[in-house]
Amino acid sequence: AQSVAQPEDQVNVAEGNPLTVKCTYSVSGNPYLFWYVQYPNRGLQFLLKYITGDNLVKGSYGFEAEFNKSQTSFHLKKPSALVSDSALYFCAVRDILAGGGNKLTFGTGTQLKVEL
Amino acid sequence: NAGVMQNPRHLVRRRGQEARLRCSPMKGHSHVYWYRQLPEEGLKFMVYLQKENIIDESGMPKERFSAEFPKEGPSILRIQQVVRGDSAAYFCASSPRPLAGGSEQYFGPGTRLTVT
Repeated sequence: AQSVAQPEDQVNVAEGNPLTVKCTYSVSGNPYLFWYVQYPNRGLQFLLKYITGDNLVKGSYGFEAEFNKSQTSFHLKKPSALVSDSALYFCAVRDILAGGGNKLTFGTGTQLKVEL
Repeated sequence: NAGVMQNPRHLVRRRGQEARLRCSPMKGHSHVYWYRQLPEEGLKFMVYLQKENIIDESGMPKERFSAEFPKEGPSILRIQQVVRGDSAAYFCASSPRPLAGGSEQYFGPGTRLTVT
């Protein structure tokens, strides 16, 4: 089955410190991986994606993610966290086994809390 | 460029009534996806549509749920004879090309359905 796992329900970090939100995947073939952020009572906002190419992907709001094939991971990172980064973060993978490969399978989400 | 529009944002229905959720994709996007987010859970894929066609409905419950994306007008997710278990946030997403082609999906703000 195509799946992603986000092992941490919550991550706490002090403002100005680097942050990492973890994601591991299990897919057949080459993965298409995505990160989204959800603020309270809002929809999901696209941050970045890995399809092919460089393993380090840069996205919106200073976020980046590193694709690691040997560890089947796609961790989200930011060098210096802001209080405004506090939100719910979802990792997602394209499910290639169903319907022509046009659906996303999401992780359960990681709540990021950035404190002063 | 306006984002994905969904209405209503909040919908309250009594058990047995019908719920109609509308989604207008971003301009130029002909691919629409519906997801459901149950309390304390991640997003689950429901259906993928292109103009006038249902491409993948593998995530739709077999009964009471239907979706359409007519040539003119918004995509509609219809839930007949709602039950309390249908209470959730329903998100629509759109993309300019299919996910299989590497295109990310852009999400609307969601419709929060409450069944009383």
